[in-house]
Amino acid sequence: SQQGEEDPQALSIQEGENATMNCSYKTSINNLQWYRQNSGRGLVHLILIRSNEREKHSGRLRVTLDTSKKSSSLLITASRAADTASYFCATARVQAGTALIFGKGTTLSVSS
Amino acid sequence: GAVVSQHPSRVICKSGTSVKIECRSLDFQATTMFWYRQFPKQSLMLMATSNEGSKATYEQGVEKDKFLINHASLTLSTLTVTSAHPEDSSFYICSAHRGQGDTGELFFGEGSRLTVL
Repeated sequence: SQQGEEDPQALSIQEGENATMNCSYKTSINNLQWYRQNSGRGLVHLILIRSNEREKHSGRLRVTLDTSKKSSSLLITASRAADTASYFCATARVQAGTALIFGKGTTLSVSS
Repeated sequence: GAVVSQHPSRVICKSGTSVKIECRSLDFQATTMFWYRQFPKQSLMLMATSNEGSKATYEQGVEKDKFLINHASLTLSTLTVTSAHPEDSSFYICSAHRGQGDTGELFFGEGSRLTVL
């Protein structure tokens, strides 16, 4: 079963603009991760934020986490056409095995 | 860095045949691997947890007799889609867990696209 919901489902912007994607989840988590997937390809791990962290940066990426609202956001600044992809948040189940449960994803389209 | 390899990357088969997809951890041992299924324009759905040396744990709604999982070694898990039908056409992705518990890392394969005619 899927853990979370991404918002928006689809986002179209121009190069240079910022893109913000939101993710909500349902259960308690130890960490939340964001992944990127180019069409028809595997997943690329972008960033992991732990439950005791509120914000994390990696290059043009900024992730926030609000455990009281069970939500996270991914901000991509100064977007490029190469950022066009689907973005998923994922949380690990507490049960043994640490399988990641993915949200529905946001499809980002950046036009030049 | 760690690499997880899937083979084949693409496969086309006729209805009624069985297809095997391999997932290998190339430079680390993985006692646990996971299989996901992804339909077009949708998210990844966890199908099962593959445990080395024991039976796989399937998610609710996933037919274990339809999707046979074997984790015979610490570096290889296989998913066999038995008696495939067009509705089984999908993108199948595996991931391998390196390390222990929540401190471990999860690495994903490049996926295998199955088309059943």
